[in-house]
Amino acid sequence: AQSVSQHNHHVILSEAASLELGCNYSYGGTVNLFWYVQYPGQHLQLLLKYFSGDPLVKGIKGFEAEFIKSKFSFNLRKPSVQWSDTAEYFCASTNAGKSTFGDGTTLTVKP
Amino acid sequence: GAVVSQHPSWVICKSGTSVKIECRSLDFQATTMFWYRQFPKQSLMLMATSNEGSKATYEQGVEKDKFLINHASLTLSTLTVTSAHPEDSSFYICSAKTGLGYTFGSGTRLTVV
Repeated sequence: AQSVSQHNHHVILSEAASLELGCNYSYGGTVNLFWYVQYPGQHLQLLLKYFSGDPLVKGIKGFEAEFIKSKFSFNLRKPSVQWSDTAEYFCASTNAGKSTFGDGTTLTVKP
Repeated sequence: GAVVSQHPSWVICKSGTSVKIECRSLDFQATTMFWYRQFPKQSLMLMATSNEGSKATYEQGVEKDKFLINHASLTLSTLTVTSAHPEDSSFYICSAKTGLGYTFGSGTRLTVV
């Protein structure tokens, strides 16, 4: 069974700091990878996705993620966070039509 | 941590029949539950938001009479796909609001034949 692990449960940063959230998936075959964001009181929104091609994927709101197959990783990055980035972030992998989510990382950005 | 148990994980049904998917919060009370579906090669799409004891709020384009959501208790929310058709074949997953954030069920792969 595939699994997704997110290394940090809670990250606290000051505005303008750089962000990197870790994500590792277990499945060795072909997977589609996603990062979602969930703002307080709202539903999931897609930040970015990787299916194939360029392993560096750029998403909305200045986020990007890099797929490193050899490390089974798909870490999310942003060079300079803003207070409005405070939210919960989920990494997910999809294989054979089934998605598996990480436990999520709560990001708190202090103004 | 907070766990949501979703059943069944996999179901095949005949066209025209109904299928019920359950999500139970095992060690916390889920006042809010989100229901999503995911088509192949696509991201999750929100279908509806359910709050315990009140009617679910459906997203635009989601037929509320076809996708019946019941959130009658703080530990159980159900999604019933009524009169299922092959185009309803998809991956359905629930997500519950916990005290610290959100947690997901393991998902249900529905295939309608």
